[in-house]
Formats: sequence, structure tokens, C-alpha cells
Amino acid sequence: GAVVSQHPSRVICKSGTSVKIECRSLDFQATTMFWYRQFPKKSLMLMATSNEGSKATYEQGVEKDKFLINHASLTLSTLTVTSAHPEDSSFYICSATGTLTEQYFGPGTRLTVT
Amino acid sequence: TQLLEQSPQFLSIQEGENLTVYCNSSSVFSSLQWYRQEPGEGPVLLVTVVTGGEVKKLKRLTFQFGDARKDSSLHITAAQTGDTGLYLCAGAVTGRRALTFGSGTRLQVQP
Repeated sequence: GAVVSQHPSRVICKSGTSVKIECRSLDFQATTMFWYRQFPKKSLMLMATSNEGSKATYEQGVEKDKFLINHASLTLSTLTVTSAHPEDSSFYICSATGTLTEQYFGPGTRLTVT
Repeated sequence: TQLLEQSPQFLSIQEGENLTVYCNSSSVFSSLQWYRQEPGEGPVLLVTVVTGGEVKKLKRLTFQFGDARKDSSLHITAAQTGDTGLYLCAGAVTGRRALTFGSGTRLQVQP
């Protein structure tokens, strides 16, 4: 299957700071990338859909000014958690898709806000 | 309201036993995918089914898509400890690229 990477894998930051998470498709061009949030022992919750070169589409209830998404190229999307607070602590996962319907997931980023 | 309901939510069995996980919805999906996720990692795609009634086999795993494309099942034969993980079904709706994920089934296979 296709390879998607995320960086960093773990990050700890102080409350009030911003954190950027990168998602890269390593061996294919991703026209669409998705960002998910996952709470412990729960399923994935879609946050936003990101198409290369256009604005992201956010799911209901997700603050677009808090979770900034940029998809500047066909292999890179970034999620910036602005002014992070402890309640933003979570496991963030990206996925990427090309011309087919299958989504390939990154390994996830564990964010801890102290 | 969860669009895709999975059952059971949690399953603990002994090595060698068989099990079936169900994924049900009132919506019709153009395709349905099954993933397995281990703690601290991203989901890994197991299979995609697209045709109503389709059956796919992946070694000891058998996946079935319902005739009406509203439900699916995953059957594991002779479970092994390496099968332990969170199993997620995810459906694609025509016209929407984002997947709708099921609630997940956490499988624990005891040695």
C-alpha cells in the first residue's frame, strides 16, 4: 500500500503555544488529505478535508481558526493547532488519497498540552 | 448519531477461536473498507469491498459486503494473538470523498 508519514510522532507543548503537524504522502500524489482526531479507545473523528491548492472543508463543530490546515502541494498537508489548551490533547491522524477511494493513514501524532 | 454501527464493541477470545464483527448502517455505501489499528499507530487498510454481495478473503480473514451495500461483516478463523487490535469499518458515500468510520471493535486474543 501507499506510504504516508507524519511528523512529529509525539509532541508536548505548553498551554497557549501553537503546534504544527506535517502529513506527507511519500510515494504518490495526494489530491485530498484528511485530518482526524482520535480519543482513547474511540473511533476516528473527521476534522477536515483538505484539497491541494484550496481551502479546507471543516466538519461541523471543528473550529477552523483553531485548527489551521494548509495543503500547499500534492505531497504535503499541515495541521496547526493554535493557542493549544489541555483539552486539545489527543491523537491526531492524517490520511491521504489519490485517484482511488482508498485512504492511507499516517502513523499519527500524539499531542500533549500541559 | 453514529452512521455506522459496529458490534460487538469489545471482544475477548482465546487463540484458535473464530469470531465475526458486524458493521451496520441504514445508508447505502459505494464502497466499504476495513482497517485494523494497533495502539499508538494509524489504521492499516485490510480490504475494500465495492459490489453488493461481494466476499473477499485475506488469509484467515473473510470480508462480506451486504447485498444492499448497507452492511458488512468480518470473520476471522482460528484467531491468533497477532490479530489483537481495533477493527474499524469505514464507508464511502457517493459524491463525498471523506469516509464515515464505524464505532470500532476492540479485539483481544488471549494466548
